[in-house]
Amino acid sequence: KQEVTQIPAALSVPEGENLVLNCSFTDSAIYNLQWFRQDPGKGLTSLLLIQSSQREQTSGRLNASLDKSSGRSTLYIAASQPGDSATYLCAVRDGNKLVFGAGTILRVKS
Amino acid sequence: DTGVSQNPRHKITKRGQNVTFRCDPISEHNRLYWYRQTLGQGPEFLTYFQNEAQLEKSRLLSDRFSAERPKGSFSTLEIQRTEQGDSAMYLCASSPRQGTWEQYFGPGTRLTVT
Repeated sequence: KQEVTQIPAALSVPEGENLVLNCSFTDSAIYNLQWFRQDPGKGLTSLLLIQSSQREQTSGRLNASLDKSSGRSTLYIAASQPGDSATYLCAVRDGNKLVFGAGTILRVKS
Repeated sequence: DTGVSQNPRHKITKRGQNVTFRCDPISEHNRLYWYRQTLGQGPEFLTYFQNEAQLEKSRLLSDRFSAERPKGSFSTLEIQRTEQGDSAMYLCASSPRQGTWEQYFGPGTRLTVT
């Protein structure tokens, strides 16, 4: 059974810092991995998708990497801003479904 | 492209009542998914449709839950005889028939059972 873990559970940083969010999964036989952002009480916004054959994807200040063999992914956020404050969720595609971690709650202080 | 929409956005009901939620996927997305999210947790998979066929159901989907997608477009999720433990955010997602299977989520329906 696929299990996804995200560390840390919560993170508070001053504006402008670069930061890394971690995601690990137990079964390396994944099709792809998605990173999402969720604002309080809202739905999920897809940030990046990495195919199992890829090593990383970039979008603006975000960079996600994937090491399938070790069961790990990282989301790097450069020059953090208060507007980046949200919960960040990692999910792996396991057959027809996504299996999610519990998320990292990020607070960027101005 | 208007995104995935869900209605209602909020629902408060008394224990024992039936509720029904609706999801309208992105047009031409043939895959549709339902997830449930409780406070402080990531979403958990409930069920998956490809066109009108329900191809996978989680064990979380007890016999009080039923989902349909009659014409392969919108979908409904019904919960019968609601219990307090059903209180959660119910999320719908869709993905296109080709490509990466990237899932796009709607805003969710927040259910509170009193």
